[in-house]
Amino acid sequence: GAGVSQSPSNKVTEKGKDVELRCDPISGHTALYWYRQRLGQGLEFLIYFQGNSAPDKSGLPSDRFSAERTGESVSTLTIQRTQQEDSAVYLCASSHGGNTEAFFGQGTRLTVV
Amino acid sequence: GENVEQHPSTLSVQEGDSAVIKCTYSDSASNYFPWYKQELGKGPQLIIDIRSNVGEKKDQRIAVTLNKTAKHFSLHITETQPEDSAVYFCATHSGYALNFGKGTSLLVTP
Repeated sequence: GAGVSQSPSNKVTEKGKDVELRCDPISGHTALYWYRQRLGQGLEFLIYFQGNSAPDKSGLPSDRFSAERTGESVSTLTIQRTQQEDSAVYLCASSHGGNTEAFFGQGTRLTVV
Repeated sequence: GENVEQHPSTLSVQEGDSAVIKCTYSDSASNYFPWYKQELGKGPQLIIDIRSNVGEKKDQRIAVTLNKTAKHFSLHITETQPEDSAVYFCATHSGYALNFGKGTSLLVTP
């Protein structure tokens, strides 16, 4: 595709439900990042995938958060037992890795009610 | 881990004036310093970047300066236009993930 694609663009869920967010990176990009952006705030690092290396999960805020990536393709971010403080925009980015430009998707706006 | 401080948090300038946003960082191993622009409802988009072997880089009305000794870098926008209004983020890269500042909301008034 032409850019990083995220789905859904918007998600409203009830507190306690599980949600799954999807990211399709740019073809050929070995690195993939997930960030969380609360309203009016900066970008909070969640997790980083680089090729076949073990992902860097140091930014995941709790064990309710997990992410997977199959090879160098699609990634899914799963939030279990959602809470109101999980409400935010979840941004995905991909790059060739190292000191190269990271391209962001439009984000998924998650609202937990 | 890396700590990136960005100032100011908000900036209002008149069209045609210059805008300067400054960032400091803590990890001396950081070697890549991108700046992103985020418009409402969109993902951040790279506008300029600089690597540690360069002190300054310019692209039309946008320039970035880097002082590795002092661990700070700045974004300069000249001849600002209303379409420059957005949130700007600095970031550093020191091995893997990008570490972002908290952002500067720039408003350019006609």
